[in-house]
Amino acid sequence: DAGVIQSPRHEVTEMGQEVTLRCKPISGHNSLFWYRQTMMRGLELLIYFNNNVPIDDSGMPEDRFSAKMPNASFSTLKIQPSEPRDSAVYFCASSSVDEQYFGPGTRLTVT
Amino acid sequence: GENVEQHPSTLSVQEGDSAVIKCTYSDSASNYFPWYKQELGKRPQLIIDIRSNVGEKKDQRIAVTLNKTAKHFSLHITETQPEDSAVYFCAASSSAPYNNNDMRFGAGTRLTVKP
Repeated sequence: DAGVIQSPRHEVTEMGQEVTLRCKPISGHNSLFWYRQTMMRGLELLIYFNNNVPIDDSGMPEDRFSAKMPNASFSTLKIQPSEPRDSAVYFCASSSVDEQYFGPGTRLTVT
Repeated sequence: GENVEQHPSTLSVQEGDSAVIKCTYSDSASNYFPWYKQELGKRPQLIIDIRSNVGEKKDQRIAVTLNKTAKHFSLHITETQPEDSAVYFCAASSSAPYNNNDMRFGAGTRLTVKP
């Protein structure tokens, strides 16, 4: 298995632009998680899905952030409009029972 | 919801010494406690985990202990080596019977092993 796949690996965009991050979980995993990591705030859970259904999105910072999981093999995290404070590494992770497997992350820089 | 606290935030040890990182959790329903290691520029990766029906687990130089009554668990690394230098995260979640996998992470401990 290729593991969790994220794209793009790096994204540089200007303030106000829309950003879409993509994730393909490990086949057979029924849970998917989006995290944001910064030096100041550490590893924050943004939202997670069970069987493609959003369970808890209380970590989503504000309405500019949205996430979807249209099927078991794909999820997106969208930021619109982006702001410099959104600059961070965004990780997607998937799991079947307990252990979470992380993707390589997307390093987002908003200028 | 679950709240996980981790201490210390930074830890520096001499090669060959032991390192201990401690975490506390708030939700008595939590029953799964993993530890992740994150090297610089890499993704977090699971190094060891423990479930609530076990008090201690060991894997070579790494061990984890769990005290359910006090709601705390610890990571012990013996005979530390420079390649152990990384950020370590503890986490807690409750799975069965709902299998919600609502995992919460501690703030992380940056471990530096000096040669």
